[in-house]
Amino acid sequence: AQKITQTQPGMFVQEKEAVTLDCTYDTSDQSYGLFWYKQPSSGEMIFLIYQGSYDEQNATEGRYSLNFQKARKSANLVISASQLGDSAMYFCAMREGRSFGNEKLTFGTGTRLTIIP
Amino acid sequence: GAVVSQHPSWVICKSGTSVKIECRSLDFQATTMFWYRQFPKQSLMLMATSNEGSKATYEQGVEKDKFLINHASLTLSTLTVTSAHPEDSSFYICSSRGSNYGYTFGSGTRLTVV
Repeated sequence: AQKITQTQPGMFVQEKEAVTLDCTYDTSDQSYGLFWYKQPSSGEMIFLIYQGSYDEQNATEGRYSLNFQKARKSANLVISASQLGDSAMYFCAMREGRSFGNEKLTFGTGTRLTIIP
Repeated sequence: GAVVSQHPSWVICKSGTSVKIECRSLDFQATTMFWYRQFPKQSLMLMATSNEGSKATYEQGVEKDKFLINHASLTLSTLTVTSAHPEDSSFYICSSRGSNYGYTFGSGTRLTVV
């Protein structure tokens, strides 16, 4: 079974509009972490935002916010006021395992976001 | 912030030769290094986890004799693709824990075996 599911292979959004990228996860751990990364065509992985399983408030980082719905096991990324530079591949990832060095980061299949001028 | 320097950025090698990829943590001690592989238009797949001073732990299906990982110091981890073949052509990227919850990635190495 997929641990991280991203159901949107590609999305096209008009510049300045908000966009939501979907992510659902599956884990039996009580303690876990959820991440979103941006991967431009150059290949580097750029950290966007993090949500811990025990965090009560949704994480926000500038134009990025994470809509964390624990009961539904979803962690959608919301990008407000999209910009042309937001065009990239976006990956949702989950960290399981508590002990340092014994953790594992599992990635979803990604969503390719294209911002239209 | 934590930086992981990965070299080379790209490499082309002949089939049958070996290629070494280096990841250095520049401003922190990388006790653990994760190595990923990414085929075109696909996700990152964890290949192995290396802890400084001990043998790497490989994921199921990854040939440990083909993908040699060395993590001899707290600032350097290497991945050697031995006897490379065209099917090994891929994007390889390393990652380490840079903060209390975050992960820092290298810039990746694009390997092409001809």
